[in-house]
Amino acid sequence: QKEVEQNSGPLSVPEGAIASLNCTYSDRGSQSFFWYRQYSGKSPELIMSIYSNGDKEDGRFTAQLNKASQYVSLLIRDSQPSDSATYLCAVEDGNNRLAFGKGNQVVVIP
Amino acid sequence: ETGVTQTPRHLVMGMTNKKSLKCEQHLGHNAMYWYKQSAKKPLELMFVYNFKEQTENNSVPSRFSPECPNSSHLFLHLHTLQPEDSALYLCASSPIYKQGKTQYFGPGTRLLVL
Repeated sequence: QKEVEQNSGPLSVPEGAIASLNCTYSDRGSQSFFWYRQYSGKSPELIMSIYSNGDKEDGRFTAQLNKASQYVSLLIRDSQPSDSATYLCAVEDGNNRLAFGKGNQVVVIP
Repeated sequence: ETGVTQTPRHLVMGMTNKKSLKCEQHLGHNAMYWYKQSAKKPLELMFVYNFKEQTENNSVPSRFSPECPNSSHLFLHLHTLQPEDSALYLCASSPIYKQGKTQYFGPGTRLLVL
């Protein structure tokens, strides 16, 4: 069973602070890694993808991947109230199959 | 707008009804997916179609019947559902041969089974 773990509970951060989200995965053959944002009552929206070890930055978002440790993270800098959402980690196995974590809820406090 | 549309957006049905969910993608992708999202649970992959051929049936009960007439359209036919089938049903599409094969989701159909 391929598992994606997002173990942190709801994360409350002050506006302007950095939000840090973590994700671990069980399948060493995983090829591609994604972070989706899902607002309440809406569908998941892709915000970051990362395929190789290291950091990838896109605006206020930075994804970090460490395949040896089977770990992927997401940093949100200068957090805004509009960043309040659930963030889903997803891992692709090379055969079009995505496994999702349960998600982390982020609440940005003005 | 992601280029993936779903209808209806909301559906209430009784356990003896038959209904269908429709998904259409305008992205030129060749893979389409059905997911189920229940409260407090991860997204569950139900079915995968590559070039309109089913490549995955993730142990889904037969009361859910998918149909993919072409690479742009995907249906999920529902019959004799149970109240525990109430959930958000999401359609997604992706390219097959590009790195990452990023999946793009439609807005979902919120289903309530009474």
